[in-house]
Amino acid sequence: QKEVEQNSGPLSVPEGAIASLNCTYSDRVSQSFFWYRQYSGKSPELIMSIYSNGDKEDGRFTAQLNKASQYVSLLIRDSQPSDSATYLCAVRGIFGNEKLTFGTGTRLTIIP
Amino acid sequence: DAGITQSPRHKVTETGTPVTLRCHQTENHRYMYWYRQDPGHGLRLIHYSYGVKDTDKGEVSDGYSVSRSKTEDFLLTLESATSSQTSVYFCAIRGEQGALGQYFGPGTRLTVT
Repeated sequence: QKEVEQNSGPLSVPEGAIASLNCTYSDRVSQSFFWYRQYSGKSPELIMSIYSNGDKEDGRFTAQLNKASQYVSLLIRDSQPSDSATYLCAVRGIFGNEKLTFGTGTRLTIIP
Repeated sequence: DAGITQSPRHKVTETGTPVTLRCHQTENHRYMYWYRQDPGHGLRLIHYSYGVKDTDKGEVSDGYSVSRSKTEDFLLTLESATSSQTSVYFCAIRGEQGALGQYFGPGTRLTVT
């Protein structure tokens, strides 16, 4: 079992709809969780972080964390073509505070 | 971009030659990281540093060495490049507040022929 798992996609969502991206992790002691957006040929960009159970909202983005189920998700409301990218989930706590473990990413395509 | 630059941005080299990639940051961050990114494998940690002259291995450190003689510079060296080291290399720093996320430089695309 991979430590951080994401569906590789591609996930296609119509423009204006809600895109839902999911991530599961294996280590129950994981402490902090991150979502990165990576456009093709570019570096990953940190867009959301969460470390408490529940929801955290920032603009059109909502991160949801359920530690009991070892599950973190990212919702993108009112999806735009500019949201088309690969989204990486990352987790801290598996090896300590200084390292992150990344999933392999979900490719999201917003269809105009 | 968190004040991170990487050089060179692109490099083509031959098998067996040494290669050094440079990461430079301007904001005095303690933690710096080197990752490689390959299709199907995602981002994998090569080495990281937690201060000047303090470094540790990541999950794919074989064939790589690092040095950090100044806070702002973190060097990654491929002692004898192999074709399996063809990849995109990213440097990152760790933020100092909040959830302590990492912020990435623009990357170096390395091709070993």
